[in-house]
Amino acid sequence: AAGVIQSPRHLIKEKRETATLKCYPIPRHDTVYWYQQGPGQDPQFLISFYEKMQSDKGSIPDRFSAQQFSDYHSELNMSSLELGDSALYFCASSFLAGVPYEQYFGPGTRLTVT
Amino acid sequence: GQQVMQIPQYQHVQEGEDFTTYCNSSTTLSNIQWYKQRPGGHPVFLIQLVKSGEVKKQKRLTFQFGEAKKNSSLHITATQTTDVGTYFCAGSGGYSTLTFGKGTMLLVSP
Repeated sequence: AAGVIQSPRHLIKEKRETATLKCYPIPRHDTVYWYQQGPGQDPQFLISFYEKMQSDKGSIPDRFSAQQFSDYHSELNMSSLELGDSALYFCASSFLAGVPYEQYFGPGTRLTVT
Repeated sequence: GQQVMQIPQYQHVQEGEDFTTYCNSSTTLSNIQWYKQRPGGHPVFLIQLVKSGEVKKQKRLTFQFGEAKKNSSLHITATQTTDVGTYFCAGSGGYSTLTFGKGTMLLVSP
């Protein structure tokens, strides 16, 4: 079965640089979520999109932005990177009309800011 | 905002022993989900509970949702080394956004 695809899997950036993370949800899923997970931490919700519209916003810094495109893939844009942005970034997708509407997580992008 | 507390943070058991992790929310939840994350992996959905007092079983795993829909537990009977990982509860007060607990890391020694 198709899973959530994230690219790149690993990314190394320097402070003040920008980064773009991509997410391709499971086909026919209508909702995409972005999470940030620090070492030994729980996933922190950043932002979500339902049918290409922002549906909810969590602890996403103003330096970050995200969008969902017409083909349902989503991108998380991160600017003015800081050392503290180093983390695992997960994208998850779900089908809200389904029950239960569990979230399927991608393998994550490990971002290291040096 | 909604807070989800989970205890213990960490538990180390011998294979064959039982394990339980507890989850408490500061607010009433519409549903609670449980996820397992293996070391180096991503969270994988285990189950969702929506009804007050609900109990669901998956082989050796038993999940409960409290009567007040503010707490939940996951119990594993006779742990195996394959159970190793971090177990997260995640609550939703609304439609889809989840608030994750801090997780319980389970280590199982053979």
